[in-house]
Amino acid sequence: KQEVTQIPAALSVPEGENLVLNCSFTDSAIYNLQWFRQDPGKGLTSLLLIQSSQREQTSGRLNASLDKSSGRSTLYIAASQPGDSATYLCAAASGGGADGLTFGKGTHLIIQP
Amino acid sequence: DAGVTQSPTHLIKTRGQQVTLRCSPKSGHDTVSWYQQALGQGPQFIFQYYEEEERQRGNFPDRFSGHQFPNYSSELNVNALLLGDSALYLCASSFTSGRGIGGEAFFGQGTRLTVV
Repeated sequence: KQEVTQIPAALSVPEGENLVLNCSFTDSAIYNLQWFRQDPGKGLTSLLLIQSSQREQTSGRLNASLDKSSGRSTLYIAASQPGDSATYLCAAASGGGADGLTFGKGTHLIIQP
Repeated sequence: DAGVTQSPTHLIKTRGQQVTLRCSPKSGHDTVSWYQQALGQGPQFIFQYYEEEERQRGNFPDRFSGHQFPNYSSELNVNALLLGDSALYLCASSFTSGRGIGGEAFFGQGTRLTVV
């Protein structure tokens, strides 16, 4: 059974800092990994999708890496802004996608102005 | 493109009642998955529908059932509601390739269900 862990659970940093969010998974037989953002009481917004054959993906100030052999993914946020404050969730897809996504509990991020 | 839409946005039900939640997938998507998210937790997979059939199911009791219609929209039904069913219910849509592999998942805004 896939298990996903995210560290840290919460993070508060001043605006402008670069930061790294960590995600680990127990079963390396994934076919992709997605990072999501969730604002309070809202749905999930897809940020980045990394296929199992890829090592990283970039979108604007966001960069996500994937190391299947070690069961780890990181989300790097450059030059953080107050608008980046949200909960960030990573999710691993197994079983060709039919097994659904297995989520971590998320990292609650606060960017101080 | 309206993206994934869910209705209603909020719902209050009494313990023991039944509820139906609805989801319309993103244009071009044929697969719908449902998730339950308790406060402070990550979403938990309930089940997935593809070609109008339940393709896979998470660790949820039979009180949770669903349906997918020919236009790919989907319903989640929960019978005999318990207080513990109070949560944010999220619908995700994706496209499944000819090899049966699911693509990127896009989520709706969710339905907040409160059971009293």
